[in-house]
Amino acid sequence: KNEVEQSPQNLTAQEGEFITINCSYSVGISALHWLQQHPGGGIVSLFMLSSGKKKHGRLIATINIQEKHSSLHITASHPRDSAVYICAVQKTSYDKVIFGPGTSLSVIP
Amino acid sequence: EPEVTQTPSHQVTQMGQEVILRCVPISNHLYFYWYRQILGQKVEFLVSFYNNEISEKSEIFDDQFSVERPDGSNFTLKIRSTKLEDSAMYFCASSATGGKLFFGSGTQLSVL
Repeated sequence: KNEVEQSPQNLTAQEGEFITINCSYSVGISALHWLQQHPGGGIVSLFMLSSGKKKHGRLIATINIQEKHSSLHITASHPRDSAVYICAVQKTSYDKVIFGPGTSLSVIP
Repeated sequence: EPEVTQTPSHQVTQMGQEVILRCVPISNHLYFYWYRQILGQKVEFLVSFYNNEISEKSEIFDDQFSVERPDGSNFTLKIRSTKLEDSAMYFCASSATGGKLFFGSGTQLSVL
C-alpha cells in the first residue's frame, strides 16, 4: 500500500472555479509538504505544514493530523495554475520526503 | 530567492557509460537529497546526505550509484554503467534545517 495517496488523480476545472485536492497518508509524520510541478518538470515548494492551516495568495492548505488527511484549495483558479500538485510527507524533520502520486490539474479559460 | 542549480539540464548517454550529475545547493543548507522521476511515475527518493555522509539510501541506490561533495559546495550523483531503466529526471534538493525543501530544475537523463 502506498504511504501517500492523492485524489483526484486528474482534475479539469473552468477558470474561476474553487478547487480542492486531497491527500491521505498512513504513517506518522512531522511535516507534510504541498509541491507544484510545472510541465517543464521543475518542482516548487508551496507549503510545509505540521498542523492547522496555511494561506498564501489564492492557495490554502489544511491538515488534520488525527485523520491523517490534508487538503489543498485553490480559489479563483486560473489557467496558470495548471500543473501537477504533489503531496509529500516527512516522518521526521531530517528524513527523506515521501512523495504522493500527484494530481494533474488543468484549468480551462 | 536562493536557488539550487543543477547541471546539465539534459544528458544523453549510451548504455554502459558513466554519467555525473551536478548540483549546487543553497550555500547555508545542511541537508541534501537526490530524487528521480521516471516518465509518468511519481518522484522517488534515492539518497540523503548530511555532514558529508550518506544519512539514508533507498533500495534503488545500489552499487551503481554514488554521491560526493568534491569541493564542499558542489554535490554530485554518479551513475556507473548506466542502464536503459536509469532514464529519468533526476532532482537535487536541499534544506537548511530539514524543513522546507528547495529543488533544482532537474537533469533529464536519457540512456540509449
